[in-house]
Amino acid sequence: NAGVTQTPKFQVLKTGQSMTLQCAQDMNHEYMSWYRQDPGMGLRLIHYSVGAGITDQGEVPNGYNVSRSTTEDFPLRLLSAAPSQTSVYFCASSFSGVENTEAFFGQGTRLTVV
Amino acid sequence: AQSVTQLGSHVSVSEGALVLLRCNYSSSVPPYLFWYVQYPNQGLQLLLKYTTGATLVKGINGFEAEFKKSETSFHLTKPSAHMSDAAEYFCAVSYSGGYQKVTFGTGTKLQVIP
Repeated sequence: NAGVTQTPKFQVLKTGQSMTLQCAQDMNHEYMSWYRQDPGMGLRLIHYSVGAGITDQGEVPNGYNVSRSTTEDFPLRLLSAAPSQTSVYFCASSFSGVENTEAFFGQGTRLTVV
Repeated sequence: AQSVTQLGSHVSVSEGALVLLRCNYSSSVPPYLFWYVQYPNQGLQLLLKYTTGATLVKGINGFEAEFKKSETSFHLTKPSAHMSDAAEYFCAVSYSGGYQKVTFGTGTKLQVIP
């Protein structure tokens, strides 16, 4: 099983550029989410989705957009990249409705904005 | 609101010594608690999770954690550290909200000294 697949693994952007981080899962999970990981700050939730067509903001949503057209895919869009968005981004998925289930994480995308 | 506090951003132990990583949570409703491990340049992987009932939870790689409601704690322990345990460990909490909105602690990096 592939699990959660993120692409690309590394990316360098110039300030003001836009890009999309891809996330796909093959476990038929309803719930998907995006986190950013910064030193000393743990993982912070950017956006999440409880099913196709349903998304909501997390703790740090500014500068990011998401959509969920299928169960499998949950892309994260950076509208106009800023140096403050330099981070490692993780996508995660899990079943919803089973409240103590685990989240499965992708390998991460390391983004540098110069 | 839910939050997680991990005491100590860095912990060093000698190989063979006891590992103790501390986690305290705050939650206005009964929590669901997790420990995740992150090896260098990888995503997060579930070590163990607390479900209602058994307060002592056993996980992978010899780790275990005890849920203490009176102390609002969920500390992670391992009797004897191995070099391969060197990683970053994250405590996380979710609550009975119908879907997996998980809050992570800031992480503890474990160093194992030969």
